[in-house]
Amino acid sequence: NAGVTQTPKFQVLKTGQSMTLQCAQDMNHEYMSWYRQDPGMGLRLIHYSVGAGITDQGEVPNGYNVSRSTTEDFPLRLLSAAPSQTSVYFCASSGLAGFNEQFFGPGTRLTVL
Amino acid sequence: GIQVEQSPPDLILQEGANSTLRCNFSDSVNNLQWFHQNPWGQLINLFYIPSGTKQNGRLSATTVATERYSLLYISSSQTTDSGVYFCAVRGAGSYQLTFGKGTKLSVIP
Repeated sequence: NAGVTQTPKFQVLKTGQSMTLQCAQDMNHEYMSWYRQDPGMGLRLIHYSVGAGITDQGEVPNGYNVSRSTTEDFPLRLLSAAPSQTSVYFCASSGLAGFNEQFFGPGTRLTVL
Repeated sequence: GIQVEQSPPDLILQEGANSTLRCNFSDSVNNLQWFHQNPWGQLINLFYIPSGTKQNGRLSATTVATERYSLLYISSSQTTDSGVYFCAVRGAGSYQLTFGKGTKLSVIP
């Protein structure tokens, strides 16, 4: 099992550019989510999904879009990047019921100039 | 939403010392996890412990759900224990995992 994978590891964008951060998991987890981590802070939830075709907003959703067409993949889209979106982005997945330990990917470090 | 507070925010230990990290949360939870974020930024699962006590080598954790707190014990600390320790909880009826701001641990030789 590869667990949770994320690409790219690093990315530099100019203000106004768009890009997609990729996330995939091979554990057949229903729940997937995106977090951002800013310096000196814990992780904050951006968007989450409880299954294919179902997404919802977290604590800090503005400026980000998501979709979930398959169980395995949960991409995060930045439509028009802003310097405030400079951060480290983590993808996570877990089962829904009962034992729902959450597993995290290695992160994507994004810089917006 | 549910609030998570971790203490202390910073901790400096001599190698070989023991420590206790605390996590308080404001409401009932059905998931509590402890993570270690190493200096390279990787989040490592330490414990899934919504209640009870678990041990893994030099680390152990206890969650007292009725009193809304969890403790992480690190014994005989090593320099490789350095990093940030996060507590995260999922409230009853919620899908969201809410993180505390972490405890930054520095173990010096």
